[in-house]
Amino acid sequence: AQTVTQSQPEMSVQEAETVTLSCTYDTSESDYYLFWYKQPPSRQMILVIRQEAYKQQNATENRFSVNFQKAAKSFSLKISDSQLGDAAMYFCAYRSAYRDDKIIFGKGTRLHILP
Amino acid sequence: ETGVTQTPRHLVMGMTNKKSLKCEQHLGHNAMYWYKQSAKKPLELMFVYSLEERVENNSVPSRFSPECPNSSHLFLHLHTLQPEDSALYLCASSQGRTLSYNEQFFGPGTRLTVL
Repeated sequence: AQTVTQSQPEMSVQEAETVTLSCTYDTSESDYYLFWYKQPPSRQMILVIRQEAYKQQNATENRFSVNFQKAAKSFSLKISDSQLGDAAMYFCAYRSAYRDDKIIFGKGTRLHILP
Repeated sequence: ETGVTQTPRHLVMGMTNKKSLKCEQHLGHNAMYWYKQSAKKPLELMFVYSLEERVENNSVPSRFSPECPNSSHLFLHLHTLQPEDSALYLCASSQGRTLSYNEQFFGPGTRLTVL
């Protein structure tokens, strides 16, 4: 069975600085998708960024980028120029390419932005 | 309304009550999900419906009863709940059986408190 691990329950970063959230996963599958979701205090979870396992190029969405290391099964999220609105719970998630109706989530990392 | 909506946003009920949570998606998706989110625990997938058929039931107690009358609506019927069932219940939807990322779109959740 696949697992997703986020080893940092909480992190803090100064506004305008850069922060990296870590995520590791375990799978025996070769093809899969990885996601980072953000859940602000208002609770609605939204997708931040996604990565397809067989794409070597790291995904980037504006200030958000990932460092995808397939061999190490690592999928970290880097937030550049942190803003107060980035404060939220961040969840790393895995979806098998062979089963498209189930996503496995990590426990989440709560990110605090310090003004 | 756009996206995924859930009602009510907050619900307090006694252990002998019967209530229902409602989820509606306006995205034209074919799959819908119920998750339970408790403090300091990973998101727990409860039920998956794809094309209105239940495809997964993750050993959820029978006091939770899902209903999916069509691809846009999903209900979670609750009866004789326990205090440990207090949590945030999230609904999500996705395109369903596709070859794409098939990421899930979440509703704002219902905060349930069982007294």
